[in-house]
Amino acid sequence: NAGVTQTPKFQVLKTGQSMTLQCAQDMNHEYMSWYRQDPGMGLRLIHYSVGAGITDQGEVPNGYNVSRSTTEDFPLRLLSAAPSQTSVYFCATEKTGDYTFGSGTRLTVV
Amino acid sequence: QKEVEQDPGPLSVPEGAIVSLNCTYSNSAFQYFMWYRQYSRKGPELLMYTYSSGNKEDGRFTAQVDKSSKYISLFIRDSQPSDSATYLCAMTTGNQFYFGTGTSLTVIP
Repeated sequence: NAGVTQTPKFQVLKTGQSMTLQCAQDMNHEYMSWYRQDPGMGLRLIHYSVGAGITDQGEVPNGYNVSRSTTEDFPLRLLSAAPSQTSVYFCATEKTGDYTFGSGTRLTVV
Repeated sequence: QKEVEQDPGPLSVPEGAIVSLNCTYSNSAFQYFMWYRQYSRKGPELLMYTYSSGNKEDGRFTAQVDKSSKYISLFIRDSQPSDSATYLCAMTTGNQFYFGTGTSLTVIP
């Protein structure tokens, strides 16, 4: 039982490049979300999904796209990376108040 | 005004001390309150979960919620070096969770 698996763990991008952060869960949780964590800012919600085929914006959605074709997967796409997107990204699932976080992806945009 | 306010610290205490971590919030609709612990370069992990006002105890940890004051606390008794981490409070009314910025705690042996 892996819980929430994020890949890659580390990534360096050049400004303007695109990439997809992967998130997979094996807990059969309907709710999945993406957060970014920055010093002094805490965890900020980017996008979330309450089930396959349903996504919605969080607090800081600009520059990011998501899709939810299956219950298990919730990828986060950066369309044109910017230095302001340098951050640690966490994927999380939630059920009855219990958030389970992945181990994070450290992204640097140069 | 942020939904959730948390003093970032850092907080440094000697081993065995009682630690008090606090958060305030502005939305009176919050009903579920959580504390997460995050070790360096790891994702946050759920520590305590409370629904209503009052205290909830789990081993050395006690979570306290005061809805009238919009104030929650986490107490750590007999603190250990392994408690050194960042502690984040979180709360929700439904689908969206709001996290504090986290308090960095170091317990010195």
